[in-house]
Amino acid sequence: QQQVKQSPQSLIVQKGGISIINCAYENTAFDYFPWYQQFPGKGPALLIAIRPDVSEKKEGRFTISFNKSAKQFSLHIMDSQPGDSATYFCAASKASGTYKYIFGTGTRLKVLA
Amino acid sequence: SAVISQKPSRDICQRGTSLTIQCQVDSQVTMMFWYRQQPGQSLTLIATANQGSEATYESGFVIDKFPISRPNLTFSTLTVSNMSPEDSSIYLCSGHSLNYGYTFGSGTRLTVV
Repeated sequence: QQQVKQSPQSLIVQKGGISIINCAYENTAFDYFPWYQQFPGKGPALLIAIRPDVSEKKEGRFTISFNKSAKQFSLHIMDSQPGDSATYFCAASKASGTYKYIFGTGTRLKVLA
Repeated sequence: SAVISQKPSRDICQRGTSLTIQCQVDSQVTMMFWYRQQPGQSLTLIATANQGSEATYESGFVIDKFPISRPNLTFSTLTVSNMSPEDSSIYLCSGHSLNYGYTFGSGTRLTVV
């Protein structure tokens, strides 16, 4: 009920390509779905987030697609750049209350120059 | 976004000793949390740091091993007690604000020898 499953575990993409990372959740009470980007030696930083009242949110080259009926959401990185090479975590939580996040297992992205 | 300062950034400690990690957040943060992250792994919530009262621990974490203080809104400490090599990990402080969601510190990389 509390798990967030993330795939793939690692991803290699050519510069200019599209990186796609997928997450699936079980708890239908979750209503806030952020993505975090983490560089080595740094804490995770919020990249983009979505609530289930919309099916897509775009910020620059980053897009979240959300499928409420399938309980899945994904991160798309368009025109991937070597500077995007990092570990990406999806998460899920309730937007109010304890604010505790359940994190996915992470995806290590490498963008080749 | 909220600013979170965490120190030390890294330490190497002898087994059986204790280490206290400090976390300073700016005034936008209402809730504070402590996470553990094994290298290359996801984030596991240790506890919610409550202002002026005992922290709320997640399953598998106990106060005797990870005592937490939060004497005021903007400061918290996590102590890793009686350390063993299994405690070697990255410890992350995070804060939640209504405007910015979760913000993480840069983490403390702990090695127990």
